[in-house]
Amino acid sequence: ETGVTQSPTHLIKTRGQQVTLRCSSQSGHNTVSWYQQALGQGPQFIFQYYREEENGRGNFPPRFSGLQFPNYSSELNVNALELDDSALYLCASREEGYPYNEQFFGPGTRLTVL
Amino acid sequence: AQSVTQLGSHVSVSEGALVLLRCNYSSSVPPYLFWYVQYPNQGLQLLLKYTSAATLVKGINGFEAEFKKSETSFHLTKPSAHMSDAAEYFCAVIPTSGNTGKLIFGQGTTLQVKP
Repeated sequence: ETGVTQSPTHLIKTRGQQVTLRCSSQSGHNTVSWYQQALGQGPQFIFQYYREEENGRGNFPPRFSGLQFPNYSSELNVNALELDDSALYLCASREEGYPYNEQFFGPGTRLTVL
Repeated sequence: AQSVTQLGSHVSVSEGALVLLRCNYSSSVPPYLFWYVQYPNQGLQLLLKYTSAATLVKGINGFEAEFKKSETSFHLTKPSAHMSDAAEYFCAVIPTSGNTGKLIFGQGTTLQVKP
């Protein structure tokens, strides 16, 4: 069974640029969430996708957007990058059903904005 | 809004000593409660979770946590620390109202294990 994978591992961008991060969910998981983890902080919920629809969003501006594809893989897009967007971006997938079903996390993408 | 407080950003113990990592939540209705571990340059791994069944929850790697409603706490313990336990630990909650599965994390506690 393949776990959650994310690409790329590291990324360096400059202010104002756009970035796309990718996530492949664990087999059989149709719910994907994205989290932002700033250095020395706990992860913060960005949004969740279920069967290709966004069904929950945290306190992030609209320049953070996402997609989920029919195979349940997902993308996180961030436009107009700001220095404060520098963080580890984590993707997590889980089975549908109970909200407390275990979320399996990928290793993350480290984004640095210069 | 729901929040999670982890007391102590850094905890240091000797190998073989008791590990106690503290977590308190702010909610009149007990949420679902979780402990995650994060090793350097890795994602998060679930240690254990409380979903309103038994108040003493046993997890992986010898960890356990006790839910205490009167204290709004869910502290993580391990009787004997091992060098491999050195990592970042996060307490998290999911409110029982709503159904998004949104995890709300604490700030984290770095566990150092001294030989």
